Amino acid sequence: AQSVAQPEDQVNVAEGNPLTVKCTYSVSGNPYLFWYVQYPNRGLQFLLKYITGDNLVKGSYGFEAEFNKSQTSFHLKKPSALVSDSALYFCAVRDMTANAGNMLTFGGGTRLMVKP
Amino acid sequence: KAGVTQTPRYLIKTRGQQVTLSCSPISGHRSVSWYQQTPGQGLQFLFEYFSETQRNKGNFPGRFSGRQFSNSRSEMNVSTLELGDSALYLCASMVSGRLNNEQFFGPGTRLTVL
Repeated sequence: AQSVAQPEDQVNVAEGNPLTVKCTYSVSGNPYLFWYVQYPNRGLQFLLKYITGDNLVKGSYGFEAEFNKSQTSFHLKKPSALVSDSALYFCAVRDMTANAGNMLTFGGGTRLMVKP
Repeated sequence: KAGVTQTPRYLIKTRGQQVTLSCSPISGHRSVSWYQQTPGQGLQFLFEYFSETQRNKGNFPGRFSGRQFSNSRSEMNVSTLELGDSALYLCASMVSGRLNNEQFFGPGTRLTVL
């Protein structure tokens, strides 16, 4: 069975500084990895995905993520944080084995707080 | 293109009652998945429907059920509600196929069980 861990419940960063939100995963086969963001009273919004290819994936709103197979990690990054980036971030993995359908397994979420 | 819509957005029920939540996927999307989000358990997969058939099911009791209609709209039903069923229920749709991997989420239905 697949699993996702987000070791930090909250990450605090000053506006303009780089940010990293950590994610590690465990899957039996090739990982299909995703990052989603959730703003208060809203659903999840897709940021980026890793399926195959380049280990550095670029996504929406200036976010990027680095896939590291040896460390089984998929950390979310942004060079310069904005106050408006403050939200709840979820890492997820999709099981690509047969009969798994499109089920996503999510990490526990990391709250990002960007202070002016 | 309109996004995933869910109705109602908020719902208050009492223990023992049943509830039906509705989800309309993005036009052309045939896969609909449901997730439960709670502060304690996080985001958990309930089930997925594709072409009116349940393709996968999470680890939830039989009180949780769903269905999908020929127009891809989906409903989920929870019978004999318990206090622990209070949660945000999220619906997600996608164009099925191994090359189309993003799920698009609706705003959710906030269910409160009293």
